[in-house]
This record gives sequence, structure tokens and C-alpha cells, in this order.
Amino acid sequence: DTAVSQTPKYLVTQMGNDKSIKCEQNLGHDTMYWYKQDSKKFLKIMFSYNNKELIINETVPNRFSPKSPDKAHLNLHINSLELGDSAVYFCASSQSYLNTGELFFGEGSRLTVL
Amino acid sequence: QKEVEQDPGPLSVPEGAIVSLNCTYSNSAFQYFMWYRQYSRKGPELLMYTYSSGNKEDGRFTAQVDKSSKYISLFIRDSQPSDSATYLCAMRSLPGGYNKLIFGAGTRLAVHP
Repeated sequence: DTAVSQTPKYLVTQMGNDKSIKCEQNLGHDTMYWYKQDSKKFLKIMFSYNNKELIINETVPNRFSPKSPDKAHLNLHINSLELGDSAVYFCASSQSYLNTGELFFGEGSRLTVL
Repeated sequence: QKEVEQDPGPLSVPEGAIVSLNCTYSNSAFQYFMWYRQYSRKGPELLMYTYSSGNKEDGRFTAQVDKSSKYISLFIRDSQPSDSATYLCAMRSLPGGYNKLIFGAGTRLAVHP
């Protein structure tokens, strides 16, 4: 039973389109995250939610809008996709926002913008 | 200058070799240091975690932190082909209540039989 699951695993789309990625965790964790990993493997935090409340919002274009309907789910919607949005997007969770650093990652959603 | 610097490699070693992976950082507020392992097409998974300076050993893996030099290392003894992966260091600054991990760029390791 997958702890952190993301869908879809692969997205290929045209510039200008809108797309969503969904994430669910069954670990009972309070905190969820979206990370972006570029082609050079650099992993950078985008957003974090603690119990449905946005607590980290890095400098990300406002075309990216996260939404957490409950503490087990975190979605990411991207409007007007650009070539530079091509990356792997990872969802992660942790027990709480105060934990020492153990994040549980999903397998990633690989976005390719043509 | 990035907050965390990590040589991307790739690093190729024969099976059985001792591997040394390193990161340097600039923020002296970092207190918690982690190593994550990421297999190809998978998400990162926590491998080692240390607090402040010192060593921590877990089987074939040893993590070292030298806060005075702002330098952390991961040593892998008797490396195996199954250790082939990208290794990412990560660090956490003292929280303003928020757990923001800063990752290095990752070092790709290949262990060949």
C-alpha cells in the first residue's frame, strides 16, 4: 500500500495549457509539500501545508496554485504552462512541520511541456 | 552562491570500494543534516540523519558533520551495485516554526560489478 501516491506519473502537454497533479498520503501525517526537481536533479520546495493551512509559499509564479482539501490530500494546479515548467514534481509528507527532517516522497509526476 | 553545494558527479566505483560523498554549506544556522537516496525514476528516501556535529553509523553507512568547516560527508563501505543511485544531502535551519529543508543538487553514484 503506497504511503504517498501521486497522479498522474507522466504528463505531456502543450504550452499554454492547464494541468493538475494530485497527491494523497495514508501515513496520517499533518504536513504535506510540493517540491520541484529540475533536469539537474536540484530539488526545491514550492509549497507546504500543515493541516490544510499554507505555511510555506516560496517564490513561485502565481500560475501555480496548491490546494489541500484535507490533511491527507494536496493538489497542484498549473495554469498557462510554459517550457520552463518541465520538471519532475514531487509530493512529500512529514509527521508535523516541526519534525527533524524525515520527508516521505511520492514517486514524482514528470511534466513535459512542448 | 547556493546555500548548499554538492558535486553532481557522476562518481563511478568498483564493487567493494569505499565511497565518500560530500556537501558544503554556507548557512551556519543549519543544525539538522540528512542524506537522502534517490533511485532512478523514484522519489528520494531518507538514508541518514544527524544532529549538529559528529558521526553516525548505520550498517555500511557513516554520516559525518563538521560544523566548524560547514562540511558534511557520507561514507559507504563495501559498496554494492544496489547502492547505485543519486545521493542528496539536505539541511534544516532552526525553524521559525517551519520545517524547510534545503537540498544539495545530488551526486550520482554508479557501483559496477
